[in-house]
Amino acid sequence: SQQGEEDPQALSIQEGENATMNCSYKTSINNLQWYRQNSGRGLVHLILIRSNEREKHSGRLRVTLDTSKKSSSLLITASRAADTASYFCATAYYGGSQGNLIFGKGTKLSVKP
Amino acid sequence: EAQVTQNPRYLITVTGKKLTVTCSQNMNHEYMSWYRQDPGLGLRQIYYSMNVEVTDKGDVPEGYKVSRKEKRNFPLILESPSPNQTSLYFCASSLWPPRGEQFFGPGTRLTVL
Repeated sequence: SQQGEEDPQALSIQEGENATMNCSYKTSINNLQWYRQNSGRGLVHLILIRSNEREKHSGRLRVTLDTSKKSSSLLITASRAADTASYFCATAYYGGSQGNLIFGKGTKLSVKP
Repeated sequence: EAQVTQNPRYLITVTGKKLTVTCSQNMNHEYMSWYRQDPGLGLRQIYYSMNVEVTDKGDVPEGYKVSRKEKRNFPLILESPSPNQTSLYFCASSLWPPRGEQFFGPGTRLTVL
């Protein structure tokens, strides 16, 4: 399995602070995606970064990808209590008839008001 | 509305009683996948399908079966459920290859007594 590993497993910050989560993976990928999960609910897609991209922004989210280190980071700026959730990275690889999208174990973010 | 539906949402059953969890998507997606989520273990893939009649094992396929007879449906079958299959199950779908986001169902909370 090439499951990604998020770091840290849990993160607790104050509202207004920035939150940074990291994801490391093992094999070559075509893209890397970040998802958010509110307690017990289905995951929701946040942002996708392709293997030939180094940085991407979406609102308060900034994602970086370093394919040489096989790692990615998700930065949430000016966090809000509503950002409290678990965040997962997912690595996509495909070629020919093979491929898959594999999720990591997630980072649990708690933003205190 | 584009969505992935799962039924039932909650199920309590007993060891050995065969059950099926249905999953349906209305987005004409080729790729569908089943995951189980357990505390501290993240999302683990059970089975996935890249198209009709094409399925493959994920990381934890033991004790599960799937079928993909139609593009929209991807049922998960537990022939003889055991207590260690008590978990939160998610179905998801996306285009193939996974160049974009994966859409998740609301989840099925299964308890096997």
